[in-house]
Amino acid sequence: DVKVTQSSRYLVKRTGEKVFLECVQDMDHENMFWYRQDPGLGLRLIYFSYDVKMKEKGDIPEGYSVSREKKERFSLILESASTNQTSMYLCASSPMNERGYTFGSGTRLTVV
Amino acid sequence: QKEVEQNSGPLSVPEGAIASLNCTYSDRGSQSFFWYRQYSGKSPELIMFIYSNGDKEDGRFTAQLNKASQYVSLLIRDSQPSDSATYLCADNFENSGYALNFGKGTSLLVTP
Repeated sequence: DVKVTQSSRYLVKRTGEKVFLECVQDMDHENMFWYRQDPGLGLRLIYFSYDVKMKEKGDIPEGYSVSREKKERFSLILESASTNQTSMYLCASSPMNERGYTFGSGTRLTVV
Repeated sequence: QKEVEQNSGPLSVPEGAIASLNCTYSDRGSQSFFWYRQYSGKSPELIMFIYSNGDKEDGRFTAQLNKASQYVSLLIRDSQPSDSATYLCADNFENSGYALNFGKGTSLLVTP
């Protein structure tokens, strides 16, 4: 089975900190995605990547950046964390030419 | 902005009944549709996908797609208490290849 691993299950950070959320997949998938999930707002796409060193903005990229230096790893960066970035962050991956994702277990980030 | 609309529920059905979950989408260009199940506190998992008009069956699950009406549904036969979860409908994100655009989900409760 495909495994998508997110480095932290729970994270508490202070306002203004730079935060790194890491995601690693072990099945050589080309496509990787970052979403956030909030009650009443559902899953919203932040950034995605189809290949190493490439990135595309999703629906809500403001305040975030990403890095994909290796095929298996896709990092989400909060440049200066704010309280409105408190959320559940979900990473997902899929093979090229397939649209069905496998999700990681999520990182619940709290910014205080 | 493309929309995927779902009734938030909760939809309550008795054990053994058929649960019918519905989804409408706004973009006539959407080509593929996905149903994910998400248990409380867990990440979404893919149940099934459908690309063509008509029905697609997989075990107790049937996905139905009507592109003319921009409507997709998921039927769960012989519903079990273990089917109680939130069901997310998704289609392809606008101009984003393999990125998915999710509805906010329908909460299903199967009562013994």
